[in-house]
Amino acid sequence: EPEVTQTPSHQVTQMGQEVILRCVPISNHLYFYWYRQILGQKVEFLVSFYNNEISEKSEIFDDQFSVERPDGSNFTLKIRSTKLEDSAMYFCASNGQASNQPQHFGDGTRLSIL
Amino acid sequence: SQQGEEDPQALSIQEGENATMNCSYKTSINNLQWYRQNSGRGLVHLILIRSNEREKHSGRLRVTLDTSKKSSSLLITASRAADTASYFCASHGSSNTGKLIFGQGTTLQVKP
Repeated sequence: EPEVTQTPSHQVTQMGQEVILRCVPISNHLYFYWYRQILGQKVEFLVSFYNNEISEKSEIFDDQFSVERPDGSNFTLKIRSTKLEDSAMYFCASNGQASNQPQHFGDGTRLSIL
Repeated sequence: SQQGEEDPQALSIQEGENATMNCSYKTSINNLQWYRQNSGRGLVHLILIRSNEREKHSGRLRVTLDTSKKSSSLLITASRAADTASYFCASHGSSNTGKLIFGQGTTLQVKP
């Protein structure tokens, strides 16, 4: 069965550095998402992306965050200047022909900011 | 305000018993979905119930939805040790952006 893949599985970065988290959604999917989960807390929506543009973003997704789909397969999340509170699991998800379908999640990238 | 509050936060049962988890949400929904998360892994979709449905079954899973009370429940029957995981409800609202709002989750432990 097709999967959403995320790399790296663990990223350790110094505070203030830029970080790029990478995702390869399922190939025929049209809707893409990033979520984050701080340790022990619930999963929080960051951003949704469709037709090469952001369709919705949360309050968490401030000017330090950006997303890009640079080619036909990758979907990236960039954090420009990381803060300690950005430490979390970041999950990429995608779904197919309609945004209200079930979402397929990757296994996440654990981001640790030192 | 928070959406998707779930109870209990933690549940420990013996193999073979049934497990019931409840979820509440605050705004109108298009559908409500349940996901499972094994430790250190991503979320796996279990079941989706539309706002005009009241009950849905899938294998050992039974989901109910009460839109008047803005609540849903997930029942896992005849539980197995392999069902040990965290379970989250996620509400999909009326926007067409696909945004899911997750509950706090229930951590289920099934003892063999």
